[in-house]
Amino acid sequence: GAVVSQHPSWVICKSGTSVKIECRSLDFQATTMFWYRQFPKQSLMLMATSNEGSKATYEQGVEKDKFLINHASLTLSTLTVTSAHPEDSSFYICSARGNGDNQPQHFGDGTRLSIL
Amino acid sequence: GENVEQHPSTLSVQEGDSAVIKCTYSDSASNYFPWYKQELGKRPQLIIDIRSNVGEKKDQRIAVTLNKTAKHFSLHITETQPEDSAVYFCAADSWGKFQFGAGTQVVVTP
Repeated sequence: GAVVSQHPSWVICKSGTSVKIECRSLDFQATTMFWYRQFPKQSLMLMATSNEGSKATYEQGVEKDKFLINHASLTLSTLTVTSAHPEDSSFYICSARGNGDNQPQHFGDGTRLSIL
Repeated sequence: GENVEQHPSTLSVQEGDSAVIKCTYSDSASNYFPWYKQELGKRPQLIIDIRSNVGEKKDQRIAVTLNKTAKHFSLHITETQPEDSAVYFCAADSWGKFQFGAGTQVVVTP
């Protein structure tokens, strides 16, 4: 149980392109989804928290107009990197958590984004 | 906000020996502490977690201890095997968000 699917797993695109990443909870309803960015050999940096049907809460220093998050249903959240540039290249990973306190987050496989 | 420190950053152990990773946290309101294992290029996977109402939890070769007074918790892996080689992250749940430690690269040598 608690499977999270993330697509695509790998994207290479030109500078200026917008890229959409999907995160789905397959066998549970995710009240809250999280988006992280991970640089090589570093920890997970929380970018934003999204709750179904409401606006995402962004961490300090994360541009909300750059990283658009939509959480339209209890099983789907999307992250759109708008007008991506080489400095946006990174490993983006989502997680989902069910209802209730003190619950684990279940992670997707991540998306490796390379902007040329 | 919550701040989690994790040590050591790298840990090399002989197969069969034990490995211990330690984390400290700053927010006394944190009450849930998961541990994740991440292999290279893959997703972090939950291996064990502990809630603040218990001091220790064990699952086969893996155990976690929690000292709420001192605000630290530790991961113990016994009888290490080569497949235990990975990066391990501790985390503290602070107001519904996880603050992760910097990670520990564990290398188990045969």
